[in-house]
Amino acid sequence: QMQLVQSGAEAKKPGASVKVSCKASGDTFTSFYIHWLRQAPGQGLEWMGIINPSGGATTYAQKFQGRVTMTRDTSTSTVYMELSSLRSEDTAVYYCATAGQLEPWFDPWGQGTLVTVSS
Amino acid sequence: DIVMTQSPDSLAVSLGERATINCKSSQSVLNSANNKNFLAWYQQKPGQPPRLLIYWASTRKSGVPDRFSGSGSGTDFTLTINSLQSEDVAAYYCQQYSSSPRTFGQGTKVEIK
Repeated sequence: QMQLVQSGAEAKKPGASVKVSCKASGDTFTSFYIHWLRQAPGQGLEWMGIINPSGGATTYAQKFQGRVTMTRDTSTSTVYMELSSLRSEDTAVYYCATAGQLEPWFDPWGQGTLVTVSS
Repeated sequence: DIVMTQSPDSLAVSLGERATINCKSSQSVLNSANNKNFLAWYQQKPGQPPRLLIYWASTRKSGVPDRFSGSGSGTDFTLTINSLQSEDVAAYYCQQYSSSPRTFGQGTKVEIK
C-alpha cells in the first residue's frame, strides 16, 4: 500500500507563503489522486483540494482559490502544496491523503505537517 | 456543499459498554447507480492523522476490529463501537465522498466514563 511522508513543521510570518511536500512510496505514484486537508488546533477536518499526479490536474476548494497551488514532481513521487498570503487563521496541521477513483475514501494519510503563522 | 452533522459532540462510555455516534448529511449520499452510500468513518487519536475505519457506510477496512460497525443509508448514519476498549478513546469523524467538496462532520470525542 502507498505510504506518504510529509515535510517538517514550519513557522511563518503573516503574509508569507509556505510549501509543504508529500512524498509517496510503495505503490504507483500516478495511480491515485492526492488530496490536501487541514486541521486547525482543536478543530475538525477541512478539505483543501486535489491533484492528479498523472497529469497534474488540480481542483481547489473555493475557500482557497487564488491562495493555494498544488504541484507534483513525478521523478521523485512528490506532491507539493503551497499556500500564500498566510494569516494566523492558517495555523493548522496540513495533511496529504490518497484516494482512488474506485476507492474514493482517504486512505492512507501522511503524518501531518504543522504550519504556525505568527508575527 | 453537503453539510455533515454529528451527534453528540462528546460522550463518555464505561469500558465494555457500547458507544453510538450519529451522522446526518444535508443531502442524500446514496448513489442510485450502484446503491452504495458514499460515506466513511475515521478515528483520530491525539497527535496522529485520521485512520480509516469504515467505507461505503458499513464496510469495515481490513484489520479494523469487528467491534466497530457502521450502518445507515441516505442521510442518516451510525457508527457503533461495541464493548468499548481503552484504546478506542479518540475523536471520530464521518465524511461524505458523494460530491465535491468532500466534507466532514465536526467530530465526536469518545472518552471512558
